[in-house]
Amino acid sequence: QVHLVQSGSELKKPGASVKVSCKASGYTFNEYAINWVRQAPGQGLEWMGWINTNTGTPTYAQAFTGRLVFSLDKSVNTAYLQISSLKAEDTAVYFCARGKYELPFWGQGAQVTVSS
Amino acid sequence: DIQMTQSPSSLSASVGDRVTITCRASQGISNYLAWFQQKPGKAPKSLIYSVSSLQSGVPSRFSGSGSGTDFTLTISSLQADDVAAYYCHQYYNTPQTFGGGTKVEIK
Repeated sequence: QVHLVQSGSELKKPGASVKVSCKASGYTFNEYAINWVRQAPGQGLEWMGWINTNTGTPTYAQAFTGRLVFSLDKSVNTAYLQISSLKAEDTAVYFCARGKYELPFWGQGAQVTVSS
Repeated sequence: DIQMTQSPSSLSASVGDRVTITCRASQGISNYLAWFQQKPGKAPKSLIYSVSSLQSGVPSRFSGSGSGTDFTLTISSLQADDVAAYYCHQYYNTPQTFGGGTKVEIK
């Protein structure tokens, strides 16, 4: 069955960078896109963008352009989200989800806390 | 960007009640509408896609309907296990957007 397993919690200082991983199993990795979704504490869901796992082409939501990088390591069926110049407002749970349109499968989420 | 407006933001109902959550899109989204359930500390779980198609394993008490800009999620007989937040989601175009969520509690 399809599984998306994300990396663990991270505590970072303002200005630092973080890289969250999303390891896929149970299907052919390059047949489905990986999306990234953010959920700030007590808030709703916010789509950050997606990466074409066949071509490696990322698409970023305009609200997040500039500090995000989506990447892949196809040798280990893993997608990555890197956020640079972290701010306190980046404190959130970051989810990966499989699919280009509907999103039936999600990772468990990775907590990123930004605090001095 | 397409705005998704959900209502109500919260509701309290008794076990066995019929519960309805609505979602309005700021423009037509054809049938590119999904619903998610999220329990505290957990990832969202896909319930419905393409307005009314039930994901595998989702109880039949959940159903979706609507077209164009107005959509509805119905729980025909609320169960204690349905306590959660519910989100609508449009994937008609990018950026994909979610409704603000509806918290469902048991009275």
